[in-house]
Amino acid sequence: GDSVTQMEGPVTLSEEAFLTINCTYTATGYPSLFWYVQYPGEGLQLLLKATKADDKGSNKGFEATYRKETTSFHLEKGSVQVSDSAVYFCALSGGGSYIPTFGRGTSLIVHP
Amino acid sequence: DARVTQTPRHKVTEMGQEVTMRCQPILGHNTVFWYRQTMMQGLELLAYFRNRAPLDDSGMPKDRFSAEMPDATLATLKIQPSEPRDSAVYFCASGLGQGGPYEQYFGPGTRLTVT
Repeated sequence: GDSVTQMEGPVTLSEEAFLTINCTYTATGYPSLFWYVQYPGEGLQLLLKATKADDKGSNKGFEATYRKETTSFHLEKGSVQVSDSAVYFCALSGGGSYIPTFGRGTSLIVHP
Repeated sequence: DARVTQTPRHKVTEMGQEVTMRCQPILGHNTVFWYRQTMMQGLELLAYFRNRAPLDDSGMPKDRFSAEMPDATLATLKIQPSEPRDSAVYFCASGLGQGGPYEQYFGPGTRLTVT
């Protein structure tokens, strides 16, 4: 079946540092890929998405590129802020099943 | 700004009691998902509806959990009887799709504590 693997957290950074959160996937077919963010006490929110190979999703300074050859969708941001502290989930849908498959989530902590 | 709403936001109950959680999906969305989130298990899919029909509830303990959509504006998740191990945050999410990749919109969750 489909699966998503994310790097273990927490990731701890200082403000203005560069962020990378790794995500790799296994899926049949051609899934769409997503990053969701969960702030403390809230539900998940869609951060960005990409629907086909080489697409780049971007939002709020975050970017991720759909790399079919490496089955990856790594999340990046050039300069993180304290307000980016949250849990980030990589997900896919439309591979072997349209039911979304989520990674375990990666906690990001940004210090002033 | 359309949002998924969930009630109650917090629920504390004693073991053995019935718990009902409600979700109002975004108007026009035809898919509804119920998830449970715990520190140990992460995010688990419990049930999935499309056009109000249950398509997958394989993640749900059948002996005590039930999920329904009485109409297009209401989804319910019931636990009877509740147990301490059911303590978790329960999320509802809605989306629009006819079998295509699903982009989901999550509610704020119901935090359930069973003592």
